[in-house]
Amino acid sequence: SAVISQKPSRDICQRGTSLTIQCQVDSQVTMMFWYRQQPGQSLTLIATANQGSEATYESGFVIDKFPISRPNLTFSTLTVSNMSPEDSSIYLCSVGQGTNTEAFFGQGTRLTVV
Amino acid sequence: DAKTTQPNSMESNEEEPVHLPCNHSTISGTDYIHWYRQLPSQGPEYVIHGLTSNVNNRMASLAIAEDRKSSTLILHRATLRDAAVYYCILSRAGGTSYGKLTFGQGTILTVHP
Repeated sequence: SAVISQKPSRDICQRGTSLTIQCQVDSQVTMMFWYRQQPGQSLTLIATANQGSEATYESGFVIDKFPISRPNLTFSTLTVSNMSPEDSSIYLCSVGQGTNTEAFFGQGTRLTVV
Repeated sequence: DAKTTQPNSMESNEEEPVHLPCNHSTISGTDYIHWYRQLPSQGPEYVIHGLTSNVNNRMASLAIAEDRKSSTLILHRATLRDAAVYYCILSRAGGTSYGKLTFGQGTILTVHP
């Protein structure tokens, strides 16, 4: 299993600013992912955080808006840049260990942009 | 990715069994069937997964149709703590996709005392 800590758990930010969300895992993991969950909606994958290289973004998400770092096998950050109220969502970190084993999720970061 | 179809919502009474259906008619031979659930204000948590055979664990059972075009998650005795959104997800074996999940809208399960 893997225990994931996300910081901050919630934040209220001014439009035009940026917020960096941290994801710390208690063990080395192969794959790390970032998801967004808009109010009342399901989860949407933002990107795969690749250790030592640029993240792989899903359609509709770009690096300039959601820069991601993954300096090692236990840590990743997601930055939400130049925020607008439409960015108000829950952002979740997830990790995977192997083919068709279970994925683990953090508790999420609830972001409100005003 | 193959798509899954689930009812938007279901209701159950406490201590009764719950059968949550999922249709995945375009499933491929290498797709595993995963179930996750999301309790209120929490991240999703793994429930169970399988390929062809029925599966049991401490949380639930997964019944997979012989043609694999549908599956059913079975909660044997629902409790109030089982109230959550349940997601049925197909995940292709191999490659770099493990842990990468495509979520549908899921089924909102309400459990009545």
